[in-house]
Amino acid sequence: EAQVTQNPRYLITVTGKKLTVTCSQNMNHEYMSWYRQDPGLGLRQIYYSMNVEVTDKGDVPEGYKVSRKEKRNFPLILESPSPNQTSLYFCASSLMGAHEAFFGQGTRLTVV
Amino acid sequence: GNSVTQMEGPVTLSEEAFLTINCTYTATGYPSLFWYVQYPGEGLQLLLKATKADDKGSNKGFEATYRKETTSFHLEKGSVQVSDSAVYFCALRGYGNNRLAFGKGNQVVVIP
Repeated sequence: EAQVTQNPRYLITVTGKKLTVTCSQNMNHEYMSWYRQDPGLGLRQIYYSMNVEVTDKGDVPEGYKVSRKEKRNFPLILESPSPNQTSLYFCASSLMGAHEAFFGQGTRLTVV
Repeated sequence: GNSVTQMEGPVTLSEEAFLTINCTYTATGYPSLFWYVQYPGEGLQLLLKATKADDKGSNKGFEATYRKETTSFHLEKGSVQVSDSAVYFCALRGYGNNRLAFGKGNQVVVIP
C-alpha cells in the first residue's frame, strides 16, 4: 500500500530535549516536505527536499533541522525544542511535477 | 509570493444542505489549484484539483472551478452528509515547482 508513515503519532517532551520525528514513504517520490498545522494559521511549510542530499528552508524553518540521506526517509529534528513548537506536524511526499501530494497521519507534539 | 485566502470561521450546516467554501488566491503565472480534506485524526487527502483556467475539478459530489478572472476556486457540494464533516483546505502549487501554499482551512460540521 502506498503510504507516508510518520512516527511517533503523539509525543510529549520537555524544553531542550532533542527529538526526532521520522517520516518514510514507499512511493519512490523525489519531493518530501514537512508542515506544521496550528489553529487559525493553516499549514505552513518548515523544510522541503527535492531529492537525496538536497534540502531547503520553507516558510518557518527556525528551530528545525532535516536530513535526506536516503530517498525514502526525511526526518525532522528539533535540537532544542521550545513550547512554541507545540503543534501538529505533517510529512508529505510527491513526484516532481506531480499534482498530488501524499500526507502522513500527523505527529502531535507537545513541548512543556 | 503565492498565497491562498479562505473565508473565515467554521461552517455548520444541516444534512442535505448546500455547501460553499470560498477560496481566492494570489499567484504569478499559472498555478495549479487544489482542495484537500482532513478527516478527524487523519492526514490531508486530495479531494479535487484543477490545473488550468476554466477547469472544473470534481470528486465525491464536490466541485470547484478554476476562475482566473476572479482568481477563485470555490468549493461546492449540493447535498452534504454527516460524513462530510472535516476540515477543508484550499491550496495552490506554483507553475514549475512542487511547493504547496495552503489556506487556513475551514472546519465543516454537518448535523443530522
